Amino acid sequence: QVQLVQSGAEVKKPGASVKVSCKASGYTFTDYYIHWVRQAPGQGLEWMGWINPNSGGTNSAQNFQGRVTMTRDTSISTAYMELSRLTSDDTAVYYCARDLIAARPVCSAYWGQGTLVTVSS
Amino acid sequence: SYVLTQPPSVSVAPGKTARITCGGNNIGSKSVHWYKQKPGQAPVLVIYYDADRPSGIPERFSGSNSGNTATLTISGVEAGDEADYYCQVWDGRSDHLFGGGTKLTVL
Repeated sequence: QVQLVQSGAEVKKPGASVKVSCKASGYTFTDYYIHWVRQAPGQGLEWMGWINPNSGGTNSAQNFQGRVTMTRDTSISTAYMELSRLTSDDTAVYYCARDLIAARPVCSAYWGQGTLVTVSS
Repeated sequence: SYVLTQPPSVSVAPGKTARITCGGNNIGSKSVHWYKQKPGQAPVLVIYYDADRPSGIPERFSGSNSGNTATLTISGVEAGDEADYYCQVWDGRSDHLFGGGTKLTVL
């Protein structure tokens, strides 16, 4: 069965960076895009971007361009999302999610458990 | 930038039909996806490509999309349907936008 397991909670200081990992299993990692979505406390979902695990190509939301870096390591079926220049507004649960449709970025069908990132001085 | 508008809340009695809307400029020309999220849990995809259901999603969930409004319809609402619901579209340029979410309350 498809599983996405994310790294554990993080506490960071303002101005720092955070890197969240997402280990995939149960399918061919390079066949499906991975999306990153975050949710601030009590707020809605915010799409951050996607990575094509096959090519390494990425696309990030306009709100995050220049601050988010998405990478992958195909040898261990793991995707990464690094967010830099953190502020308190970046305090949120960060999710990775696998696309439903092979080889295209469409929608998120399988989700990780979420990683809480807290930004506090 | 493209904006998706959802009502903050919808209430429905058990057994009745709930309709949750997602408004956007000419949204009927885009593909809309819907997610259900319960507190403390990751979202679940319930409708994709306007009206298709992923495996495991009950037939009670259906979707439509035309003009400036997409609609998620839940028939025979059950207590377990109480959750936040989000629509999502690709804006045609770069972003896979989410609507602000609708809290469905089962009375």
